[in-house]
Amino acid sequence: EAQVTQNPRYLITVTGKKLTVTCSQNMNHEYMSWYRQDPGLGLRQIYYSMNVEVTDKGDVPEGYKVSRKEKRNFPLILESPSPNQTSLYFCASSLRGDGEQYFGPGTRLTVT
Amino acid sequence: EDQVTQSPEALRLQEGESSSLNCSYTVSGLRGLFWYRQDPGKGPEFLFTLYSAGEEKEKERLKATLTKKESFLHITAPKPEDSATYLCAVQEASGTYKYIFGTGTRLKVLA
Repeated sequence: EAQVTQNPRYLITVTGKKLTVTCSQNMNHEYMSWYRQDPGLGLRQIYYSMNVEVTDKGDVPEGYKVSRKEKRNFPLILESPSPNQTSLYFCASSLRGDGEQYFGPGTRLTVT
Repeated sequence: EDQVTQSPEALRLQEGESSSLNCSYTVSGLRGLFWYRQDPGKGPEFLFTLYSAGEEKEKERLKATLTKKESFLHITAPKPEDSATYLCAVQEASGTYKYIFGTGTRLKVLA
């Protein structure tokens, strides 16, 4: 089944404790992206990747890191999480940079 | 600054009552405009892509249209299962492949 998977689905952590949210797709897509969704602010793009080793900033990259070492995986790293990073995070992938995106099920992160 | 504005924020319709959702955008050049549907607790699901003014696409009870400044999502004779949040996103025709999403329209269709 073609899908985007994210892990974990739910995470509660404390300020400053490094964490990684994994994202994987099985569709051989070139483009992958991370978003955060907050009430009243909608979906905002954090980072995106056009291909392996090619990443670029979205609108809200501060406090986040990404890497794309393999085509199928695009982990999101929070080196020192803060409470303002409490949010619902979505990973997405698409065949090309301007095509339809397939979204993962979301990761709900709470930073206390 | 590039912006995407969706209206109304929320809409309640009776089953069978047709209506339209609006997405207005300001970008220096449009590469594509995308409509997604999002159900509570789930990731957005792709509906349509529109690339140029005058383009229209249809799927079941939904029809998306595009002008140079806005897009409409027309819902004809909606059913309760059409209840969801509808998101609009644009991608600027520049060197980047960033997406800008609107905040969505929450649609509730009453039986």
